[in-house]
Amino acid sequence: KAGVTQTPRYLIKTRGQQVTLSCSPISGHRSVSWYQQTPGQGLQFLFEYFSETQRNKGNFPGRFSGRQFSNSRSEMNVSTLELGDSALYLCASSLRDTYEQYFGPGTRLTVT
Amino acid sequence: GESVGLHLPTLSVQEGDNSIINCAYSNSASDYFIWYKQESGKGPQFIIDIRSNMDKRQGQRVTVLLNKTVKHLSLQIAATQPGDSAVYFCAEKRAAGNKLTFGGGTRVLVKP
Repeated sequence: KAGVTQTPRYLIKTRGQQVTLSCSPISGHRSVSWYQQTPGQGLQFLFEYFSETQRNKGNFPGRFSGRQFSNSRSEMNVSTLELGDSALYLCASSLRDTYEQYFGPGTRLTVT
Repeated sequence: GESVGLHLPTLSVQEGDNSIINCAYSNSASDYFIWYKQESGKGPQFIIDIRSNMDKRQGQRVTVLLNKTVKHLSLQIAATQPGDSAVYFCAEKRAAGNKLTFGGGTRVLVKP
């Protein structure tokens, strides 16, 4: 079966702009989580959506937001981009809480 | 490829030898502990997990040990192969929800 897909794979934006990243989970998976990966901070949890509801949220400013659609696809949005938002943004999907999470290849965001 | 960590601790191991990767965790309330492997340009890939009520679990060529007394987790890879070269992360989670808290990662380099 197809894995987790993320679009776009690479993105370059300018400070102050906003960006929307997309994640399509594995078919049948209802949980989608987002992570930010940077060399300095490592992998950090952003938020998790389950059946269109945000279930958990990490310690990120309100500029970071997300949503999940009825088909379980998810988007995350970052407004007023800062240089420090440059990172690899990873999406993971899971069938249920006790099942393993599958990660997508990530979207590499560069803010200039 | 992606740079997942410029200053990660590195474990160099000879092909065919066994590797041991260590991880200290902080949350004694975690229910699951998971090891992920991340290759350049890819998202983390699930290797093996262990529930908090276990102290050892074996998979194919891998063994995870959990010592709750000292909050320590280790991953043993038997007969390390060139394809095992990657960054390895430990992660912890509660039973409810899919929020993963990741450790800093260890880079494994397999020498031929």
